[in-house]
Order: sequence, then structure tokens, then C-alpha cells
Amino acid sequence: DGGITQSPKYLFRKEGQNVTLSCEQNLNHDAMYWYRQDPGQGLRLIYYSQIVNDFQKGDIAEGYSVSREKKESFPLTVTSAQKNPTAFYLCASRDPWGYSNQPQHFGDGTRLSIL
Amino acid sequence: RKEVEQDPGPFNVPEGATVAFNCTYSNSASQSFFWYRQDCRKEPKLLMSVYSSGNEDGRFTAQLNRASQYISLLIRDSKLSDSATYLCVADSNAGNMLTFGGGTRLMVKP
Repeated sequence: DGGITQSPKYLFRKEGQNVTLSCEQNLNHDAMYWYRQDPGQGLRLIYYSQIVNDFQKGDIAEGYSVSREKKESFPLTVTSAQKNPTAFYLCASRDPWGYSNQPQHFGDGTRLSIL
Repeated sequence: RKEVEQDPGPFNVPEGATVAFNCTYSNSASQSFFWYRQDCRKEPKLLMSVYSSGNEDGRFTAQLNRASQYISLLIRDSKLSDSATYLCVADSNAGNMLTFGGGTRLMVKP
């Protein structure tokens, strides 16, 4: 089955630690996205990538980093510079080239908490 | 002003009721629109795309009003299982991005 796999489902971060969230897709989508969702809030865009080896900052990129070395993979690193990392992190992908009515598909998310 | 705005609710309705949500978008160049459903502590899932002429999927009807820049979602004969947050989405940046509204929470009561 085609889809998006995020891992781990739950993650705990110690003070001063960097942690990496995995996102893999086998939908053959060029575009991938990372969102953060705080309790009772909407989705906020962290980073996105339209194609391999290219990515752009979203609205709240500070304290995060990404890479896009393969089409299938778009890992997100939450660095120690992100002082309030506790949130629900969602990865999504989309086929951007058939622009009209192409929705995003989401993974089932990673919950990150501070120890 | 947010690019996509929704009334956060909650909308509390009895089973069997008809409920409607509106959503406004600020980018007049937006071409693609969607409604997503998000259950508590889960990922958003596509409910339906919104087409210019309006479209229906079972108990759900979506409408687009380009002149006033809003889209709507109508749910007929509400079920308990319809309780969720409904996210309105519009594309932006020449179609490269999808912008999500903050969501409208629906609670269907017995």
C-alpha cells in the first residue's frame, strides 16, 4: 500500500539534545512538508521541499533543520535551539505538478515531549 | 489577516441535524480547495475536494463562492461519528503550497 510513514510515534527529548523525526513516502510525490500542531491549534508549516536537494523555510523554521537527499525521505531535526519543542509533528506529501486539485497526504504523526 | 480563516467553534449539534461551516480565504489567485477532517490526536484526512460548481459526497456538500472568497461545507443528518475538527484548505504560491485554516470543531450529541 502506498503511504507516508513517520517514526517514531512518540519521542522524548532531553534538554540540549537534538532529535530527528523520520518521514518516508512511497507515493512517488515530489513535494514533502513538515507541520507542527500544538494542542487545540491549527497546522503551522516548518519546512517544505518541492524537489530532491532543495527545501524552503516555512513560517516557523527557527530551531529546526531538514534534508532532502532522496525523493522518498524528508527527515526533520529538532535542534536544541528550539526551546519549546513539545508538539505533534506531521509530515505530508503532495504531487505538485498536476496543480489542480492535488491534496496533501499525511503520515500519522510523531508526538514529541521534553523530559 | 490569516490566509484561510475559520470559526473555531465548537458547533454542538444533536444527531440528525444539518450543520454548515464557512471558511474565507484571502488569496484571490487560489485555485484548489479542500476540506479535511481531523480526529483528536490523529492526522488530518482528506474529506473532499471542492469544485467550482459545488460537489456532493453522500451527506456532505461543498460549495465555492469565488466572488466572496469563501467555501462552505454542509453536513446533513449528522452522526455521532462526524464529531471531529474540520480543516479548510486553499492553495497559494501559484499552487505550490496548501494553506490550512485553524479548523472548526464539531460535536454531535445523542
